[in-house]
Amino acid sequence: DARVTQTPRHKVTEMGQEVTMRCQPILGHNTVFWYRQTMMQGLELLAYFRNRAPLDDSGMPKDRFSAEMPDATLATLKIQPSEPRDSAVYFCASGLPINKNYGYTFGSGTRLTVV
Amino acid sequence: AQSVTQLDSQVPVFEEAPVELRCNYSSSVSVYLFWYVQYPNQGLQLLLKYLSGSTLVKGINGFEAEFNKSQTSFHLRKPSVHISDTAEYFCAVSDLGGYQKVTFGTGTKLQVIP
Repeated sequence: DARVTQTPRHKVTEMGQEVTMRCQPILGHNTVFWYRQTMMQGLELLAYFRNRAPLDDSGMPKDRFSAEMPDATLATLKIQPSEPRDSAVYFCASGLPINKNYGYTFGSGTRLTVV
Repeated sequence: AQSVTQLDSQVPVFEEAPVELRCNYSSSVSVYLFWYVQYPNQGLQLLLKYLSGSTLVKGINGFEAEFNKSQTSFHLRKPSVHISDTAEYFCAVSDLGGYQKVTFGTGTKLQVIP
């Protein structure tokens, strides 16, 4: 089965350090989402891309978060500087537009702990 | 903008008993509706979706959901649960328009009791 691959699976870092999370979407998928999941806030949409162009990143704290798709096989989410409140599981999902063939597939997530 | 409400944060149910997980949505336009399941330490997996057509939608693992437009609901049901159904279930909504942003509810933890 085709999978969305996220790396790393786990990351522990000190406050103030830069964190980069990577996502390899399924080949052929043109839509990529980044979500953050915490106990308190649940699943929050951070950003999403279509055909590598950012459509909405209003859910991201702009001063420290950035999301990019340098090419169709890689999406990145960076936090600089990281803070303890950024501790969460970050999910990437990819798919095609729903009216074409719904298939948003989620990766297994990156569990980030900022100490 | 759309929103999703899952009123039950936790639902305990005995094995082989039926279960219903409730989901209500709010939107000013027509929407697509989804249910996802998340097992511990895993990503979300699509259970079923409603795009159009029949309001009763069947998904994987014996789950089904019924779209009720007048009540703006999309409740998830299973006639007989198994221990392996213990997981967290998320209802989600997306608009039909170009962006099709997917908004999730807060989740319902289903605990199946032996």
